[in-house]
Amino acid sequence: DAGVIQSPRHEVTEMGQEVTLRCKPISGHNSLFWYRQTMMRGLELLIYFNNNVPIDDSGMPEDRFSAKMPNASFSTLKIQPSEPRDSAVYFCASSLAGQTEAFFGQGTRLTVV
Amino acid sequence: KNQVEQSPQSLIILEGKNCTLQCNYTVSPFSNLRWYKQDTGRGPVSLTIMTFSENTKSNGRYTATLDADTKQSSLHITASQLSDSASYICVVSPQRNAGNMLTFGGGTRLMVKP
Repeated sequence: DAGVIQSPRHEVTEMGQEVTLRCKPISGHNSLFWYRQTMMRGLELLIYFNNNVPIDDSGMPEDRFSAKMPNASFSTLKIQPSEPRDSAVYFCASSLAGQTEAFFGQGTRLTVV
Repeated sequence: KNQVEQSPQSLIILEGKNCTLQCNYTVSPFSNLRWYKQDTGRGPVSLTIMTFSENTKSNGRYTATLDADTKQSSLHITASQLSDSASYICVVSPQRNAGNMLTFGGGTRLMVKP
């Protein structure tokens, strides 16, 4: 298996623009997580899906952030409109439900200027 | 509030030397603790998992210890190599089936110099 696949690897956008990050989880995994990592705050859970259903989105910073999982093999995290403080590395991770090991993708480094 | 504190924040050692990274947690109830290694520009990868009943576990040159009474864990790296340069993140889970309740430490950034 290729592991968790994220795209793009790097994204530079202007403030106010819409940004969409994409994730393909490991085949067979039924839990998917979106994390944000910054130097100041480390890794923070944004949202968690189980069987394509959002279970916990309490980590989503505000209404500008939204996430979808239309099927078991694809998820998106959208920021609209983007702001400079959204600059961070965004990780997608997947796991089998009931397991505590999350398998991470390589991340998307987002820079909002 | 569940917290995981790691020390030191950063560490520089010479190739071949040993080092020990610390993790203190206040997560309760406790199920397990993982150490992740995160190479620059990549996602974290699990190195080892410690459950409540385990005191020590080795994975090659990495040895993790756990003291559930004092809520402390350590990761000892023996005979360090340049490829050990990375961030090491301590992650604690409060219950068995709770992938969404992981509490992450801030990490220790290790640099191994030749």
